[in-house]
Amino acid sequence: DTLMTQSPSSLSASVGDRVTITCRASHPIIKYLHWYQHKPGKAPKLLIYAASTLQSGVPSRFSGSGSGTDFTLTIDSLQPDDFATYYCQQCYNAPFTFGPGTKVDIK
Amino acid sequence: QVQLVQSGAEVKRAGASVKVSCRASGYTFSHYYIHWIRQAPGQGLEWVGWINPQSGGSTSAQKFQGRVTMTRDTSISTAYMELRSLRSDDTAVYFCARAVLAEQQSDFWGQGTRVTVSS
Repeated sequence: DTLMTQSPSSLSASVGDRVTITCRASHPIIKYLHWYQHKPGKAPKLLIYAASTLQSGVPSRFSGSGSGTDFTLTIDSLQPDDFATYYCQQCYNAPFTFGPGTKVDIK
Repeated sequence: QVQLVQSGAEVKRAGASVKVSCRASGYTFSHYYIHWIRQAPGQGLEWVGWINPQSGGSTSAQKFQGRVTMTRDTSISTAYMELRSLRSDDTAVYFCARAVLAEQQSDFWGQGTRVTVSS
Protein backbone atom coordinates (compact mmCIF):
# COMPACT_ATOMS: atom_id res chain seq x y z
CA ASP A 1 0.00 0.00 0.00
CA THR A 2 1.09 3.59 -0.58
CA LEU A 3 1.45 5.34 2.76
CA MET A 4 0.57 9.03 2.81
CA THR A 5 1.97 11.39 5.41
CA GLN A 6 1.06 15.02 6.02
CA SER A 7 2.72 17.82 7.91
CA PRO A 8 1.98 19.51 10.09
CA SER A 9 -0.75 17.48 11.79
CA SER A 10 -2.28 20.73 13.00
CA LEU A 11 -1.62 24.43 12.81
CA SER A 12 -3.03 27.63 14.20
CA ALA A 13 -3.31 30.58 11.87
CA SER A 14 -4.99 33.95 11.58
CA VAL A 15 -7.32 35.30 8.94
CA GLY A 16 -5.15 36.64 6.14
CA ASP A 17 -2.25 34.27 6.75
CA ARG A 18 -0.66 32.14 4.06
CA VAL A 19 -0.84 28.45 4.98
CA THR A 20 1.16 25.60 3.47
CA ILE A 21 0.45 21.90 4.04
CA THR A 22 2.71 19.19 2.71
CA CYS A 23 1.87 15.64 1.74
CA ARG A 24 4.34 12.86 1.01
CA ALA A 25 3.73 9.50 -0.64
CA SER A 26 5.77 6.42 0.21
CA HIS A 27 5.97 5.52 -3.49
CA PRO A 28 5.87 7.75 -6.59
CA ILE A 29 2.32 8.54 -7.59
CA ILE A 30 3.02 10.82 -10.56
CA LYS A 31 0.26 13.44 -10.16
CA TYR A 32 -2.57 11.25 -8.89
CA LEU A 33 -2.92 13.35 -5.77
CA HIS A 34 -6.05 15.15 -4.60
CA TRP A 35 -6.81 17.54 -1.75
CA TYR A 36 -10.03 17.69 0.25
CA GLN A 37 -11.41 20.03 2.89
CA HIS A 38 -13.50 18.45 5.63
CA LYS A 39 -15.64 20.12 8.25
CA PRO A 40 -17.37 18.29 11.12
CA GLY A 41 -20.75 16.88 10.23
CA LYS A 42 -20.33 17.55 6.52
CA ALA A 43 -19.11 15.62 3.50
CA PRO A 44 -15.54 16.29 2.38
CA LYS A 45 -15.13 18.82 -0.41
CA LEU A 46 -12.75 18.39 -3.34
CA LEU A 47 -10.37 21.37 -3.63
CA ILE A 48 -7.55 20.33 -5.93
CA TYR A 49 -7.22 17.30 -8.19
CA ALA A 50 -4.29 15.88 -10.15
CA ALA A 51 -1.95 17.72 -7.80
CA SER A 52 -2.52 21.21 -9.17
CA THR A 53 -5.91 21.59 -10.91
CA LEU A 54 -8.42 23.73 -9.05
CA GLN A 55 -11.85 22.10 -8.80
CA SER A 56 -14.64 24.16 -10.34
CA GLY A 57 -16.12 26.61 -7.86
CA VAL A 58 -13.19 26.53 -5.44
CA PRO A 59 -11.69 29.94 -4.63
CA SER A 60 -8.41 30.76 -6.33
CA ARG A 61 -6.66 31.30 -2.98
CA PHE A 62 -6.28 27.50 -2.93
CA SER A 63 -3.45 26.07 -5.01
CA GLY A 64 -1.57 22.82 -5.26
CA SER A 65 1.80 21.73 -6.56
CA GLY A 66 4.13 18.77 -6.71
CA SER A 67 4.64 15.46 -8.45
CA GLY A 68 6.20 12.11 -7.72
CA THR A 69 6.23 11.82 -3.95
CA ASP A 70 6.06 15.39 -2.61
CA PHE A 71 3.05 17.66 -2.80
CA THR A 72 1.90 20.96 -1.33
CA LEU A 73 -1.43 22.65 -0.70
CA THR A 74 -1.26 26.41 -0.23
CA ILE A 75 -4.00 28.70 0.99
CA ASP A 76 -3.29 32.35 0.28
CA SER A 77 -4.95 34.80 2.64
CA LEU A 78 -6.80 32.39 4.93
CA GLN A 79 -10.51 33.16 5.31
CA PRO A 80 -12.86 32.33 8.21
CA ASP A 81 -14.52 29.63 6.11
CA ASP A 82 -11.16 27.86 5.64
CA PHE A 83 -10.82 26.58 9.20
CA ALA A 84 -11.19 22.85 8.69
CA THR A 85 -9.22 19.63 8.31
CA TYR A 86 -7.40 19.03 5.04
CA TYR A 87 -6.63 15.61 3.60
CA CYS A 88 -4.55 14.49 0.67
CA GLN A 89 -5.43 11.28 -1.17
CA GLN A 90 -3.48 9.27 -3.71
CA CYS A 91 -5.39 7.57 -6.50
CA TYR A 92 -2.49 5.96 -8.31
CA ASN A 93 -2.49 2.57 -6.60
CA ALA A 94 -5.44 0.88 -4.90
CA PRO A 95 -6.09 1.15 -2.01
CA PHE A 96 -6.52 4.86 -2.59
CA THR A 97 -5.07 5.96 0.71
CA PHE A 98 -5.63 9.24 2.50
CA GLY A 99 -3.14 11.18 4.53
CA PRO A 100 -3.87 11.52 8.27
CA GLY A 101 -5.12 15.07 7.86
CA THR A 102 -4.02 18.57 8.86
CA LYS A 103 -6.32 20.51 11.16
CA VAL A 104 -6.27 24.26 10.59
CA ASP A 105 -7.72 26.25 13.47
CA ILE A 106 -7.89 29.84 14.55
CA LYS A 107 -4.94 31.37 16.35
CA GLN B 1 -27.64 18.91 -10.42
CA VAL B 2 -25.49 16.01 -9.29
CA GLN B 3 -26.70 14.43 -6.05
CA LEU B 4 -25.80 11.34 -4.08
CA VAL B 5 -28.35 10.48 -1.41
CA GLN B 6 -27.47 7.81 1.12
CA SER B 7 -29.68 5.67 3.32
CA GLY B 8 -30.28 6.51 6.95
CA ALA B 9 -28.38 5.79 10.11
CA GLU B 10 -28.05 2.21 11.29
CA VAL B 11 -27.46 0.60 14.67
CA LYS B 12 -26.25 -2.97 14.55
CA ARG B 13 -25.03 -5.59 16.98
CA ALA B 14 -21.53 -6.93 16.67
CA GLY B 15 -21.44 -9.81 14.20
CA ALA B 16 -24.35 -8.50 12.15
CA SER B 17 -24.28 -7.02 8.64
CA VAL B 18 -25.18 -3.59 7.33
CA LYS B 19 -26.05 -2.50 3.80
CA VAL B 20 -25.76 1.17 2.90
CA SER B 21 -27.27 2.55 -0.28
CA CYS B 22 -26.23 5.52 -2.38
CA ARG B 23 -28.74 6.83 -4.95
CA ALA B 24 -27.27 8.96 -7.70
CA SER B 25 -29.04 11.57 -9.79
CA GLY B 26 -28.19 14.39 -12.16
CA TYR B 27 -25.63 12.50 -14.25
CA THR B 28 -25.16 9.24 -16.17
CA PHE B 29 -24.62 6.72 -13.40
CA SER B 30 -22.50 4.31 -15.44
CA HIS B 31 -19.99 6.97 -16.47
CA TYR B 32 -18.39 7.46 -13.02
CA TYR B 33 -17.02 5.08 -10.43
CA ILE B 34 -18.47 5.12 -6.91
CA HIS B 35 -16.00 5.14 -4.04
CA TRP B 36 -16.84 4.28 -0.44
CA ILE B 37 -14.96 6.08 2.32
CA ARG B 38 -15.47 6.00 6.07
CA GLN B 39 -14.56 8.11 9.07
CA ALA B 40 -14.52 6.58 12.53
CA PRO B 41 -15.10 8.87 15.51
CA GLY B 42 -12.09 11.12 16.05
CA GLN B 43 -10.24 9.54 13.13
CA GLY B 44 -9.35 10.51 9.59
CA LEU B 45 -10.78 9.41 6.27
CA GLU B 46 -10.32 5.78 5.27
CA TRP B 47 -10.88 4.43 1.75
CA VAL B 48 -13.03 1.30 1.74
CA GLY B 49 -13.28 0.50 -1.95
CA TRP B 50 -14.80 1.30 -5.31
CA ILE B 51 -17.24 -0.07 -7.82
CA ASN B 52 -17.45 0.44 -11.55
CA PRO B 53 -21.19 0.87 -12.13
CA GLN B 54 -20.87 -0.04 -15.79
CA SER B 55 -19.26 -3.45 -15.32
CA GLY B 56 -20.08 -4.11 -11.67
CA GLY B 57 -16.41 -4.81 -11.00
CA SER B 58 -15.14 -3.69 -7.62
CA THR B 59 -12.00 -3.42 -5.53
CA SER B 60 -11.72 -3.02 -1.79
CA ALA B 61 -8.90 -2.28 0.59
CA GLN B 62 -7.30 -5.46 1.83
CA LYS B 63 -8.44 -4.94 5.42
CA PHE B 64 -12.06 -5.23 4.26
CA GLN B 65 -11.68 -8.09 1.81
CA GLY B 66 -13.91 -10.98 2.68
CA ARG B 67 -16.23 -8.72 4.69
CA VAL B 68 -17.34 -6.10 2.19
CA THR B 69 -19.42 -6.42 -0.96
CA MET B 70 -20.08 -3.51 -3.29
CA THR B 71 -22.91 -3.82 -5.79
CA ARG B 72 -25.07 -1.60 -7.94
CA ASP B 73 -28.48 -1.50 -9.56
CA THR B 74 -28.17 0.51 -12.72
CA SER B 75 -31.95 0.54 -13.26
CA ILE B 76 -32.29 2.85 -10.24
CA SER B 77 -28.80 4.44 -10.32
CA THR B 78 -27.99 3.12 -6.88
CA ALA B 79 -24.81 1.69 -5.40
CA TYR B 80 -24.66 -0.45 -2.30
CA MET B 81 -22.01 -1.34 0.22
CA GLU B 82 -22.58 -4.30 2.52
CA LEU B 83 -20.24 -4.88 5.43
CA ARG B 84 -20.50 -8.19 7.31
CA SER B 85 -19.28 -9.52 10.64
CA LEU B 86 -19.44 -6.04 12.11
CA ARG B 87 -17.10 -5.12 14.95
CA SER B 88 -17.14 -2.14 17.27
CA ASP B 89 -14.33 -0.53 15.30
CA ASP B 90 -16.58 -0.47 12.22
CA THR B 91 -18.54 2.29 13.96
CA ALA B 92 -18.14 5.20 11.57
CA VAL B 93 -19.77 7.54 9.12
CA TYR B 94 -19.72 5.92 5.68
CA PHE B 95 -19.65 8.14 2.60
CA CYS B 96 -20.19 7.33 -1.03
CA ALA B 97 -18.59 9.59 -3.59
CA ARG B 98 -18.61 9.91 -7.36
CA ALA B 99 -15.16 9.52 -8.87
CA VAL B 100 -14.06 10.97 -12.18
CA LEU B 101 -12.68 8.22 -14.39
CA ALA B 102 -9.26 9.57 -15.32
CA GLU B 103 -7.70 10.55 -11.98
CA GLN B 104 -10.43 9.11 -9.70
CA GLN B 105 -10.93 12.29 -7.73
CA SER B 106 -14.16 12.28 -5.72
CA ASP B 107 -15.99 15.38 -6.89
CA PHE B 108 -19.45 14.80 -5.40
CA TRP B 109 -20.19 13.11 -2.10
CA GLY B 110 -23.20 11.69 -0.34
CA GLN B 111 -24.28 13.13 2.97
CA GLY B 112 -22.86 10.19 4.94
CA THR B 113 -24.50 7.31 6.80
CA ARG B 114 -23.72 6.78 10.46
CA VAL B 115 -23.29 3.12 11.35
CA THR B 116 -23.07 2.30 15.04
CA VAL B 117 -21.99 -1.16 16.13
CA SER B 118 -22.83 -2.14 19.66
CA SER B 119 -21.49 -5.12 21.52
